[in-house]
Amino acid sequence: NAGVTQTPKFQVLKTGQSMTLQCAQDMNHNSMYWYRQDPGMGLRLIYYSASEGTTDKGEVPNGYNVSRLNKREFSLRLESAAPSQTSVYFCASINDRVYNSPLHFGNGTRLTVT
Amino acid sequence: AQSVTQLDSHVSVSEGTPVLLRCNYSSSYSPSLFWYVQHPNKGLQLLLKYTSAATLVKGINGFEAEFKKSETSFHLTKPSAHMSDAAEYFCVVSDMSRDDKIIFGKGTRLHILP
Repeated sequence: NAGVTQTPKFQVLKTGQSMTLQCAQDMNHNSMYWYRQDPGMGLRLIYYSASEGTTDKGEVPNGYNVSRLNKREFSLRLESAAPSQTSVYFCASINDRVYNSPLHFGNGTRLTVT
Repeated sequence: AQSVTQLDSHVSVSEGTPVLLRCNYSSSYSPSLFWYVQHPNKGLQLLLKYTSAATLVKGINGFEAEFKKSETSFHLTKPSAHMSDAAEYFCVVSDMSRDDKIIFGKGTRLHILP
């Protein structure tokens, strides 16, 4: 049981390049999330998906797109990376059928945009 | 929409003295509340969660939190700090019955003085 798996762990991009962060969970969770973590800012919600085929904007969606093609996978895409998107990105999922179920996190992706 | 405010960005206490990390939330409905901890260069770990069964919630490593609806607070406490408690702590609010957003506070970094 792998839980939440994120790839890659590290990535360096040049300004303007694009990339997709991958996330998969094997816990049959409906809800999945993408956060970015920056010093002094906590974790800020980028996008979330309550179920397969649905996505919603979080607190800081600009510059990102997401895709929830199936129940397991929730990808985050940067179409044209900017230095302001240098951050640590976390994917998470939750069992929304259980009241007060906690988030299950991936190990994070450290992204640097130069 | 729900929101969460952690009142202190840094807290310093001496080893063996009490810890108080403050959190206030805003939610239109009955919220789910959590505290997570992140040790340096590590992932996020659930400390405790409010389940509505009791206003005083016990978590791991001797931490507790008290839910006070009248004050919209969910402060985290520990009677006696240990050096290993040095970490960043996040208060989290969600209302899964209304939408699936899960919002983090900006974090409080706890420093333990020898």
